[in-house]
Amino acid sequence: GDSVTQMEGPVTLSEEAFLTINCTYTATGYPSLFWYVQYPGEGLQLLLKATKADDKGSNKGFEATYRKETTSFHLEKGSVQVSDSAVYFCALSRGGGSNYKLTFGKGTLLTVNP
Amino acid sequence: KAGVTQTPRYLIKTRGQQVTLSCSPISGHRSVSWYQQTPGQGLQFLFEYFSETQRNKGNFPGRFSGRQFSNSRSEMNVSTLELGDSALYLCASSLDPQGLAGNTIYFGEGSWLTVV
Repeated sequence: GDSVTQMEGPVTLSEEAFLTINCTYTATGYPSLFWYVQYPGEGLQLLLKATKADDKGSNKGFEATYRKETTSFHLEKGSVQVSDSAVYFCALSRGGGSNYKLTFGKGTLLTVNP
Repeated sequence: KAGVTQTPRYLIKTRGQQVTLSCSPISGHRSVSWYQQTPGQGLQFLFEYFSETQRNKGNFPGRFSGRQFSNSRSEMNVSTLELGDSALYLCASSLDPQGLAGNTIYFGEGSWLTVV
């Protein structure tokens, strides 16, 4: 079945550092890929998405590129801020078959220190 | 436009009781799905409803049930609560069924359930 694997956290960075959170997936066909962010005490917010190979999703300085050859969708940001501290989830959705659901990775906790 | 609205936000129940959680999707969205989030298991899919029909169900016991009304609002119910049901229950809505390529799913802030 479908699966998403994220790098183990927690990740601790200083403000203005470069961020990479790795995400790889296993799925047949052509899934859509997403990054969601969950701030403390809140629900999930869609951060960015990509729906086909080589698409780049971007939002709030974050970006991720859909790489079908490596089945990856790594999240990057050039300069993190304290306000970026949150849990980040990589996810995929795929049409076809009976497995109609959003499949999530286990999440990566990011802490940014001033 | 208003986002996905879940009520109540916080609640405490006693083991053996039952609970009903409510979700109002974004206006125009016809798909509503529910997820359970716990520290140990992460985000787990409960079920999805589209146009009042359950399309898919996750691997949860029959104590977990749901329904969707004609206005797309949804409720989920958990009967005979157990301590392990303590979790954040997230509702999500989308225009089209979840698995459809390119379909974006929007989440509510969740209902925090504590079972004591």
